[in-house]
Amino acid sequence: AQTVTQSQPEMSVQEAETVTLSCTYDTSENNYYLFWYKQPPSRQMILVIRQEAYKQQNATENRFSVNFQKAAKSFSLKISDSQLGDTAMYFCAFILYNFNKFYFGSGTKLNVKP
Amino acid sequence: NAGVTQTPKFQVLKTGQSMTLQCAQDMNHNSMYWYRQDPGMGLRLIYYSASEGTTDKGEVPNGYNVSRLNKREFSLRLESAAPSQTSVYFCATVTGAPPNYGYTFGSGTRLTVV
Repeated sequence: AQTVTQSQPEMSVQEAETVTLSCTYDTSENNYYLFWYKQPPSRQMILVIRQEAYKQQNATENRFSVNFQKAAKSFSLKISDSQLGDTAMYFCAFILYNFNKFYFGSGTKLNVKP
Repeated sequence: NAGVTQTPKFQVLKTGQSMTLQCAQDMNHNSMYWYRQDPGMGLRLIYYSASEGTTDKGEVPNGYNVSRLNKREFSLRLESAAPSQTSVYFCATVTGAPPNYGYTFGSGTRLTVV
């Protein structure tokens, strides 16, 4: 069975500081993709960053980067220079290659304080 | 604009009433999905359709039925609504192919069953 665990239900960070959101997952498959999605109060789901499991290099997208540890099945999201607009729910997810079905964690609510 | 359109955005039902949530995508994708989002539980897959004419159960299918009317449309029906079905419902479609996988989500339907 595939599972995704986000152990931090809620986190806070001061504006301009750095915060790391944790995610672990479990799968016996070797080929998969990992994602972080952001859901602001508007409810819209927005892709933040994507990582291919076969790549050792950690993905980065501007202020967002991941720490992907495949052996440990860990996929954390680091947000640098936090902004008020980063306030949202963040979901970790993965999809098995060619299975077209996502598995989501329960989410971490991030509050960026001015 | 290309995307996933869900209707309605909000709905209040009485216990025992029925309704259909509509979803349409204009990206010519094969796969479509229905999720429900509950606090502390992330997104859980209700049903999915890998292609026109096929549907499969996800993690929480009880109390729901689906119809893949054509390639564009995938509807979710509640035959006899129950308070436990109070949730936010998302329709999604898979974007791209490896390595550019991603989900495109609709804007969600907030359903309250009283």
